[in-house]
Amino acid sequence: QQQVKQSPQSLIVQKGGISIINCAYENTAFDYFPWYQQFPGKGPALLIAIRPDVSEKKEGRFTISFNKSAKQFSLHIMDSQPGDSATYFCAASMGNFNKFYFGSGTKLNVKP
Amino acid sequence: DAGITQSPRHKVTETGTPVTLRCHQTENHRYMYWYRQDPGHGLRLIHYSYGVKDTDKGEVSDGYSVSRSKTEDFLLTLESATSSQTSVYFCAISSLAVEQFFGPGTRLTVL
Repeated sequence: QQQVKQSPQSLIVQKGGISIINCAYENTAFDYFPWYQQFPGKGPALLIAIRPDVSEKKEGRFTISFNKSAKQFSLHIMDSQPGDSATYFCAASMGNFNKFYFGSGTKLNVKP
Repeated sequence: DAGITQSPRHKVTETGTPVTLRCHQTENHRYMYWYRQDPGHGLRLIHYSYGVKDTDKGEVSDGYSVSRSKTEDFLLTLESATSSQTSVYFCAISSLAVEQFFGPGTRLTVL
């Protein structure tokens, strides 16, 4: 049973558009929600993360929106660029050892 | 990149043979993790370590064992490789069990 559900599986956006990726979770004990970006042949790299005590976090063109009551969080990429084309993973974690539970990934393709 | 290396980067092996993958870090981070990445599943935790000789199972630990005899090295062993273990394996490290930094990955093919 997947602890974190991610959608869509793939996404095509025009350059300059907004990319939106959604994740949902069930376990209310999760207390850390990162987003990772992965390019082909590379390991995932942390993009942005949020804790459930805030509803939004913004870093440059990347924003996480967090809805605690709905147990959902999303990544918004503003002014999407071809260089943003990658696979994005949401994750959730809890506990002393911070075991991550990842979503299944979204492959983003930004068309020039 | 955080100081994480994985070896080998690519390996092809036969069913039933033992395989050991190595993760080496130069960051002196306490926590180390092994994940496997498969299409449609994202990354799934195999085993993790919270100190030298302190390890525990993740969500997909069957068929895998780990060892950590030094802070900098975390080994993942497939005692008898099966085709279902064909995957890309990632090691990750963390200092305070919050943000995790990932290595470059090892692509393993079991024929």
